[in-house]
Formats: sequence, structure tokens, C-alpha cells
Amino acid sequence: DTEVTQTPKHLVMGMTNKKSLKCEQHMGHRAMYWYKQKAKKPPELMFVYSYEKLSINESVPSRFSPECPNSSLLNLHLHALQPEDSALYLCASSPIPGQGDQPQHFGDGTRLSIL
Amino acid sequence: QKEVEQDPGPLSVPEGAIVSLNCTYSNSAFQYFMWYRQYSRKGPELLMYTYSSGNKEDGRFTAQVDKSSKYISLFIRDSQPSDSATYLCAMSPNTGFQKLVFGTGTRLLVSP
Repeated sequence: DTEVTQTPKHLVMGMTNKKSLKCEQHMGHRAMYWYKQKAKKPPELMFVYSYEKLSINESVPSRFSPECPNSSLLNLHLHALQPEDSALYLCASSPIPGQGDQPQHFGDGTRLSIL
Repeated sequence: QKEVEQDPGPLSVPEGAIVSLNCTYSNSAFQYFMWYRQYSRKGPELLMYTYSSGNKEDGRFTAQVDKSSKYISLFIRDSQPSDSATYLCAMSPNTGFQKLVFGTGTRLLVSP
């Protein structure tokens, strides 16, 4: 079992729906990440939160809206997605610089299909 | 040219073989080097990480970094069918690991 928990595991939604992906970690990490991964490709960084503040946005379309309500939780709100947004969405966490020398730990992802 | 190059495979080996997985990179600022294993329909699982040049061993796995050649390797001894997965190298210039640069991943198949 991973220490980063993502829900739901699978999600099918229409292009007009609004849904949210959730991520939770209890490792005390203060950096959390969203990635998108297409089949047979490496993960692509979308957003980085440090101390619950958005620190990196990799020019992601506004139909993806991240939220970090506290140090353990990270959400990704989805609205008006396109079929090409179908992918595996991965959450990761890591210590902040100076708080530990560990790389990112990933959850098992949410497999998203847009109809 | 990509910052990190990795042969996508697949690499097919018999059980018990020694496996060598490799990545080359172009950015001399990279200081931290990671190997992740990803099974189908799962997230990447951290296997090894190293700082700067040198070797690191953990059980059947050995990670090597040669910064002078900008080349990293992961060796798997006594490979098992359960090692069949995609192996992703990743690297970062700083301790924050905030922006990892991934290789494309190498798919490994270990046959019984």
C-alpha cells in the first residue's frame, strides 16, 4: 500500500460534468504535487503546492483547478474537460527543502476517462 | 534533444539474469537521481535515489551515477518475474525535488 492515497481509483465523466479528485498523505510532507500521465509516457507535472500555497503551475488549462485545504489534503477540481484529458492523474508528496532529503512519493492515481 | 534519454524497450530477460537499465542526461545541474518502478495501473514506486556520483546498493538493486559521463544505471541482480514493470529514471538539480525530469521509462519483461 502506498502512503499517498488517492480517490476515486477510476472516474468516468462527461464533458459537461464537474468532479473532484482527492489526495491524502500523512507523512508530514509540506509539498504536494499533481501529475498527468498518458499511456506509455512519463508523468507530466501540473501543479506544486508548498506549505499549502500554489508555487508552480505548469501552464495548465483553467478547466483544472487545484486546491490544498490543509497540509494533508490536495484536491483537483475538474470542469468541462475534453476527451484528450483522459489519463492517469497522480498525486505525490515530498518534504520541503531543509526538512528532509527525500524524493517524491506517488499515489496509485485516478484513472480518468472523458466521454 | 531531450534533457533525459532512456530506451523505452521492451527489454526481455530470463529469470535470474542481471538487468542493466540506463539513462543519459544533458543538464549538468542535475544532482539528485532517482529510479521509480511502475507496475501497470499503479503509481510510480520509489526504488532508489542517490546524490551526485557513486554507487548505492539496496538488496538486489544497485544504482550508479557517473556525472562526468552524464550517465546513470540501475542494476537488478537475480531478476524475478515480479520485477516485470516499467522503470523510470528521474533527476533534479536541487534537494527540493520539486521539478523532477523523467526519462520515458524502460519496460522490463522477466520470463520464468
